[in-house]
Amino acid sequence: DTAVSQTPKYLVTQMGNDKSIKCEQNLGHDTMYWYKQDSKKFLKIMFSYNNKELIINETVPNRFSPKSPDKAHLNLHINSLELGDSAVYFCASSHPSGRAPETQYFGPGTRLLVL
Amino acid sequence: LAKTTQPISMDSYEGQEVNITCSHNNIATNDYITWYQQFPSQGPRFIIQGYKTKVTNEVASLFIPADRKSSTLSLPRVSLSDTAVYYCLVGDPPPGGGADGLTFGKGTHLIIQP
Repeated sequence: DTAVSQTPKYLVTQMGNDKSIKCEQNLGHDTMYWYKQDSKKFLKIMFSYNNKELIINETVPNRFSPKSPDKAHLNLHINSLELGDSAVYFCASSHPSGRAPETQYFGPGTRLLVL
Repeated sequence: LAKTTQPISMDSYEGQEVNITCSHNNIATNDYITWYQQFPSQGPRFIIQGYKTKVTNEVASLFIPADRKSSTLSLPRVSLSDTAVYYCLVGDPPPGGGADGLTFGKGTHLIIQP
């Protein structure tokens, strides 16, 4: 069973289009995240939600809008796609483990290519 | 902001022990140190986490000196399948902390040769 799943796995689209990436976790976790990994392999946090509430928004253009319909889902909608949005987008989830920081579980990634 | 510094790349051979060091001079009192591993075309995977001294699990060991300004990930008897990028994170991720604990940095590209 897949713990954190993302759809689609690959996404090729034209500049200016609007697209969505879906993420689901079946781990019962409270916190979910979106990361962007660019061509240089830098992995950067974009958003974090805890119990459907946005708790981190890291200077991401407002063309990116996360939506969490419930604790198990965190979708990423991107408006007016630009060439620079081409990257791999990873979804992750985590759960409180007591004193230590939460371990994150990552999805397989969605490879977005904007032409 | 507890920034981390790691070597960009390392090479080793099968069967060897590999030690990857991460510097984090500005680590805060509440910060933990976490290491993740990422294979090509996959998401990062948790390896180990610690606060001080030594932590060991079935995959690796983590050595943290008393001043906590650095940490060393030790992989015993590596194999070809250990070729990956290894990330050191320092901080306290949400909801207890902020984005600091989610800063992956550049990572160390470990290449294991036969």
